[in-house]
Amino acid sequence: NAGVTQTPKFQVLKTGQSMTLQCAQDMNHEYMSWYRQDPGMGLRLIHYSVGAGITDQGEVPNGYNVSRSTTEDFPLRLLSAAPSQTSVYFCASSYSPGASSGNTIYFGEGSWLTVV
Amino acid sequence: AQSVTQLDSHVSVSEGTPVLLRCNYSSSYSPSLFWYVQHPNKGLQLLLKYTSAATLVKGINGFEAEFKKSETSFHLTKPSAHMSDAAEYFCVVSYYSSASKIIFGSGTRLSIRP
Repeated sequence: NAGVTQTPKFQVLKTGQSMTLQCAQDMNHEYMSWYRQDPGMGLRLIHYSVGAGITDQGEVPNGYNVSRSTTEDFPLRLLSAAPSQTSVYFCASSYSPGASSGNTIYFGEGSWLTVV
Repeated sequence: AQSVTQLDSHVSVSEGTPVLLRCNYSSSYSPSLFWYVQHPNKGLQLLLKYTSAATLVKGINGFEAEFKKSETSFHLTKPSAHMSDAAEYFCVVSYYSSASKIIFGSGTRLSIRP
């Protein structure tokens, strides 16, 4: 049981390049999400998914694309990187968002992305 | 609208003294509440969670939090701070009513003075 695995951990991109941040979980969680963390702003939700084939936008979706073809994987795509996307990205998963059982939210280790 | 507010962006205490990190939430639904800790350049680690059972929740590393529905608060405390507690702490609220409703507070940076 590896939990939530994110790759790569560090990445430098040039403006206009595209790349995909990978996220995988082996806990059979329905809910997966991507956050970005910027100084003084906490974590902001980019996109989320409540199950395979279902995705929706969060608070800051512009410039990012996601898909959920399997329960395990939830990649985040930057189609044309911009310096404003320099940030730390976290993938998270839980059995479901909330519920009376208080499902724990599990986070990946983070991906540090710099766009120059 | 649901929200979560961490009342202090930065808290500084001396080693061996109590720690209090404050969190208030607003919600029309019964929430699940969490505290996560993030050490520099690391991911987020679960400290504790409230799941509508006991209102006083004990977590790892001596931390605990009390859910007070009348005050809509979930403050994090520790009786005696240790240098290793220096980190960023996030209060997180999760609601069953909507799939998108996992809301983060803006974080509180805890500094420990020797």
